[in-house]
Amino acid sequence: NAGVMQNPRHLVRRRGQEARLRCSPMKGHSHVYWYRQLPEEGLKFMVYLQKENIIDESGMPKERFSAEFPKEGPSILRIQQVVRGDSAAYFCASSPTAGQGQETQYFGPGTRLLVL
Amino acid sequence: SQQGEEDPQALSIQEGENATMNCSYKTSINNLQWYRQNSGRGLVHLILIRSNEREKHSGRLRVTLDTSKKSSSLLITASRAADTASYFCAMTRGNTPLVFGKGTRLSVIA
Repeated sequence: NAGVMQNPRHLVRRRGQEARLRCSPMKGHSHVYWYRQLPEEGLKFMVYLQKENIIDESGMPKERFSAEFPKEGPSILRIQQVVRGDSAAYFCASSPTAGQGQETQYFGPGTRLLVL
Repeated sequence: SQQGEEDPQALSIQEGENATMNCSYKTSINNLQWYRQNSGRGLVHLILIRSNEREKHSGRLRVTLDTSKKSSSLLITASRAADTASYFCAMTRGNTPLVFGKGTRLSVIA
C-alpha cells in the first residue's frame, strides 16, 4: 500500500505565475489535509477536504489560494499569482475516517515551492 | 490558541543517552500526537496518546500526558544517530485540525 504521494517534489515559479500542487492520498483514505511549513517553523493547517467537499478552509488565505479534491484523481492545491512569501514546503496528509482529531494523519513527502 | 510549544527548541546529546522533549498546550484536547521530521522530509507519526491515558510506550519511545498541567513529554531512550530529527507535538480537540508546535530539533552525536 503506497503512502501519500505528492508531486512535484520541488517547484520553482516566478512571481505572478500559478503553482499547482498535487496530492494522492493513501488507498482507502477519503480525507485530505494541506499544511504549509516555513523554514524552522511547525506546520500550519490550511484546508481539510473530503471527496468533492471542502470541510474546513479556515487556515487558507482567502485570495489566490484554492483547493479541490474531485471524485476522481488527486487533490489539488492551487496558488495563483504567486509571490515570494508563498515560498514554503507544502505537505499533504490523509486519514481514513471522519474526525481530524480522532485518527492519525499520514503525511506525504511535501512539495517545496520556491518563488523567484 | 491551542498551539503547542515544545521545549527545548534544540537538544544535543551523545549516542546512547536519553532524550526528553516536552510539549505544553493551553486548551483541553482529545488527543496529543508526536511526529518526527527528518531534514527535508515529511512527517512521520510516532505515537498518539488520548486524553484519558497517562502513559504510552512504543519501542524506545515513552510518552506521558498530564492533562492537569496541560503538558506531555516524549522520552527517547538509548538514542541513536538516526534519531536526529525535529520532533513535533500536535493536538486535536473535537474535529479541529492538527495544531503543531515549532518543534524540538534533536541532534544525536555518534
